[in-house]
Amino acid sequence: AQTVTQSQPEMSVQEAETVTLSCTYDTSESDYYLFWYKQPPSRQMILVIRQEAYKQQNATENRFSVNFQKAAKSFSLKISDSQLGDAAMYFCAYRSITNAGKSTFGDGTTLTVKP
Amino acid sequence: GAVVSQHPSRVICKSGTSVKIECRSLDFQATTMFWYRQFPKQSLMLMATSNEGSKATYEQGVEKDKFLINHASLTLSTLTVTSAHPEDSSFYICSAHRNYEQYFGPGTRLTVT
Repeated sequence: AQTVTQSQPEMSVQEAETVTLSCTYDTSESDYYLFWYKQPPSRQMILVIRQEAYKQQNATENRFSVNFQKAAKSFSLKISDSQLGDAAMYFCAYRSITNAGKSTFGDGTTLTVKP
Repeated sequence: GAVVSQHPSRVICKSGTSVKIECRSLDFQATTMFWYRQFPKQSLMLMATSNEGSKATYEQGVEKDKFLINHASLTLSTLTVTSAHPEDSSFYICSAHRNYEQYFGPGTRLTVT
């Protein structure tokens, strides 16, 4: 079974600064998807960024980028130029391409953005 | 973009009663939907996989008779919490896949008094 570990329960960043959220996972599969989701106080899950394991290039979405290290099974999220609206709980997720497409979520990291 | 809705957004019921939560994919068909449970400040716990036209697949430790799932059509899955008790109070989230993306409903907060 796959596991996803987020070792930082809480993180804080000053507005306009950069912060990196950590995520490691364990799997025996060679192809899979990795995701970062944001859950604001409304609790609606919002996709931040997606990475396909077969792609070596790190995914980027505007101020959000990942550092995907497949051999190390590491998938960190970097948020640049942090904004107050980035404050939320962030979940790292692994999704198998097989196994009915089930997703496994990390325990989450609560990000606080200080003005 | 793909939209998943849930109804109701909040529900309060008395202990011993049953409550039904609907999950709809509004602009796409979903042969598979997932139901999660989330406690405050915790992660999403997968409860079951809902398959259109067949029985749901439950995760280990989830009571099938308490959490009834029906995937009646390609756009609707329902979760019925039967004989609800206060410990069933939680936030329930559904999701559906479309083109390898997972789209989440806004969630339903269930409070059992």
